[in-house]
Amino acid sequence: SQTIHQWPATLVQPVGSPLSLECTVEGTSNPNLYWYRQAAGRGLQLLFYSVGIGQISSEVPQNLSASRPQDRQFILSSKKLLLSDSGFYLCAWRRRPGNGRDTQYFGPGTRLTVL
Amino acid sequence: DAKTTQPTSMDCAEGRAANLPCNHSTISGNEYVYWYRQIHSQGPQYIIHGLKNNETNEMASLIITEDRKSSTLILPHATLRDTAVYYCIVRDTGTASKLTFGTGTRLQVTL
Repeated sequence: SQTIHQWPATLVQPVGSPLSLECTVEGTSNPNLYWYRQAAGRGLQLLFYSVGIGQISSEVPQNLSASRPQDRQFILSSKKLLLSDSGFYLCAWRRRPGNGRDTQYFGPGTRLTVL
Repeated sequence: DAKTTQPTSMDCAEGRAANLPCNHSTISGNEYVYWYRQIHSQGPQYIIHGLKNNETNEMASLIITEDRKSSTLILPHATLRDTAVYYCIVRDTGTASKLTFGTGTRLQVTL
């Protein structure tokens, strides 16, 4: 069976500090990978997605970047955090190649607070 | 991506059926309707999806109108653990298959 891990679960960082969040998937190969953010009281916003190693697509301009150094590893980074980067960060995966019926499965999330 | 419209909130008594509506009037012929839910402070959980026909699984039933412009998620016997935000999503069928989340319906199940 497939599992998706995210760490850390919670993180408190000062403004201007760097960030690195990690997501790994087990039990599948060549998945699509996604990073979402959920600000307090808001819906989920897609930040990045990746269809393969080294292939990153950004959905919105922001202070964050993503990388996929290995097939089942997806990293979200920032060089200098802003207060507005606070939120709940979720990683998701989807089987590829897939069709319209394949769904995305979400990790447990990382709650980031920037002070 | 087609947009969806859902009520902001709904209440349901425990043990009764919860019927959550969703409008997706601009859906195109090859787009699926997906339902997820998010319990507080957790990642979204997949519930069910469909294209044209009604679907049922161990969690819920999905009723899609014949013109596909709206759908209803049915939780047949709601429990307190079903209290969550429910998202109706029409999914991009491109290579990336991105999900566009709206604000969803906050379902409160009460005793």
